[in-house]
Amino acid sequence: SQTIHQWPATLVQPVGSPLSLECTVEGTSNPNLYWYRQAAGRGLQLLFYSVGIGQISSEVPQNLSASRPQDRQFILSSKKLLLSDSGFYLCAWGGFPGYTFGSGTRLTVV
Amino acid sequence: GDSVTQMEGPVTLSEEAFLTINCTYTATGYPSLFWYVQYPGEGLQLLLKATKADDKGSNKGFEATYRKETTSFHLEKGSVQVSDSAVYFCALSKAGNQFYFGTGTSLTVIP
Repeated sequence: SQTIHQWPATLVQPVGSPLSLECTVEGTSNPNLYWYRQAAGRGLQLLFYSVGIGQISSEVPQNLSASRPQDRQFILSSKKLLLSDSGFYLCAWGGFPGYTFGSGTRLTVV
Repeated sequence: GDSVTQMEGPVTLSEEAFLTINCTYTATGYPSLFWYVQYPGEGLQLLLKATKADDKGSNKGFEATYRKETTSFHLEKGSVQVSDSAVYFCALSKAGNQFYFGTGTSLTVIP
């Protein structure tokens, strides 16, 4: 069966520090992978999606970046975090007709 | 562009009350519609879906009917339980990769 792993579960980072969140998928090959952010009191915002190794599409301009070094690995990064980067980050795989989400990473930038 | 609008929360109900969470959508073509649920501290889980007009999705006592004439996909449950307390997201997707989510509706069920 397919599973998706996301870590860490929680993270507290100072402003200006770097960020690396990792997501891996098991039990499937060549999945479509997604990074979403859920800010406090707001809905889900699609940040990046990837249809294959090295293929990244960005949905919104920001100081975050994403990479897909392996078929089942999707990484969300930042060189310098901002306070506004705080939120709940969700990795997802799949596509039509449904996603499977990871358990999320709660990032607090202080 | 495509979008989803859901009713504002938070919603607080007593156990065994009837639940309705409204969701309307704007989309060209023929989207599929979804409800996702997020329990406290967890990621999102697919609750139910409907892929064409007049389809009814159902799961765990929740139901939603795809109404093309009113562009709606309201979530209902006849008798809520404390364990249903969560945030509920309405979403749409067309035959492609991208989903559009509503802002979420927080539900709290009190005993």
